[in-house]
Amino acid sequence: GAGVSQSPRYKVAKRGQDVALRCDPISGHVSLFWYQQALGQGPEFLTYFQNEAQLDKSGLPSDRFFAERPEGSVSTLKIQRTQQEDSAVYLCASSSGLFTYNEQFFGPGTRLTVL
Amino acid sequence: QQQVKQSPQSLIVQKGGISIINCAYENTAFDYFPWYQQFPGKGPALLIAIRPDVSEKKEGRFTISFNKSAKQFSLHIMDSQPGDSATYFCAAPIQGAQKLVFGQGTRLTINP
Repeated sequence: GAGVSQSPRYKVAKRGQDVALRCDPISGHVSLFWYQQALGQGPEFLTYFQNEAQLDKSGLPSDRFFAERPEGSVSTLKIQRTQQEDSAVYLCASSSGLFTYNEQFFGPGTRLTVL
Repeated sequence: QQQVKQSPQSLIVQKGGISIINCAYENTAFDYFPWYQQFPGKGPALLIAIRPDVSEKKEGRFTISFNKSAKQFSLHIMDSQPGDSATYFCAAPIQGAQKLVFGQGTRLTINP
């Protein structure tokens, strides 16, 4: 079966531009996570959805970051007025359960470069 | 704040040797300890995980050892192979929150 997919795989933006990153989770997975991974670092939590409800957005670094999952499946992470410090790989993960010990399946990520 | 500290940052092991990566955690609420493996250009993938009610879990060549009193857990890769060359991350969930806190990662290189 298909895993988690993300698009685009690579995105180059000029500073100040808005970007939208898409995540297609595994079908039927209720939990969806976004992480940011800087070069040479571990992923850092951004936000969590349970179905369409955004239950935790404590990791979003600023109000320029916005995520949605309107129908409880596909999710979009939007970054407004991109800055150079936003350059990173953005990872999406989904899980079939609601517990922290349910395995999270990661997509390949979107590498964002802000010039 | 740093809640999971991983070491070493990088590790080189000869083929057939044992690779050992360590993690220390700071929050006793952690109740599940997974290890993820990441290849270049790919997302992390779950390798093996342990709950704190056991001290060791083994799956094939991979073993997690857990020391609750020391707040440490480690990954052992036996008979390391070149295909094991990747970056490894330990992680732990925050109790009451649906998120994982990751270590900084260990870049493992297995020389043939």
